[in-house]
Amino acid sequence: GAVVSQHPSWVICKSGTSVKIECRSLDFQATTMFWYRQFPKQSLMLMATSNEGSKATYEQGVEKDKFLINHASLTLSTLTVTSAHPEDSSFYICSAVAQGRYEQYFGPGTRLTVT
Amino acid sequence: RKEVEQDPGPFNVPEGATVAFNCTYSNSASQSFFWYRQDCRKEPKLLMSVYSSGNEDGRFTAQLNRASQYISLLIRDSKLSDSATYLCVVNRGNAGNMLTFGGGTRLMVKP
Repeated sequence: GAVVSQHPSWVICKSGTSVKIECRSLDFQATTMFWYRQFPKQSLMLMATSNEGSKATYEQGVEKDKFLINHASLTLSTLTVTSAHPEDSSFYICSAVAQGRYEQYFGPGTRLTVT
Repeated sequence: RKEVEQDPGPFNVPEGATVAFNCTYSNSASQSFFWYRQDCRKEPKLLMSVYSSGNEDGRFTAQLNRASQYISLLIRDSKLSDSATYLCVVNRGNAGNMLTFGGGTRLMVKP
């Protein structure tokens, strides 16, 4: 149980384009999903909290107009990196929390490379 | 000061060794504590939750000292497959299930 998927697993895009990453909880409903970013040899940094049916809450320093988050259902959240630049290249990981629980279950991550 | 601090390592140990990792956290309002394991270029996977009374799961034992805001993880009889980065994770207290991750401690178990 508690399986979270992400798609795509890796993507290469050109500078200035937008990339959408999907996060799905496959066998449970998640009222809350989180989006993290991890640069090489660093730990996970929370970017935003996504709640189903409401606007995402962004961490300080994360541009909400650049990283668009949509949590359309209890099993799907999407992160769109708009006008991507090389410095946005990173490992993006989502996690989901089952209703009434604290443990976060992570998706396998999406490796984004912007050229 | 970082919210969750860990010794980055690496800890290089032989198979069969016992190894201990420590972690300190700064938010006294934190209520939930976890150890996650992350393999290279993979997502973190929950290893175990940490309870005030201490808890054990096979070869892994976790301890929590709320007064000192200190968490530990003990791995007995290390296996080659234990090689990974171990992340100490705490919730943000009043922020419910939002988590703060430590920088991780890298473990390398050698034959």
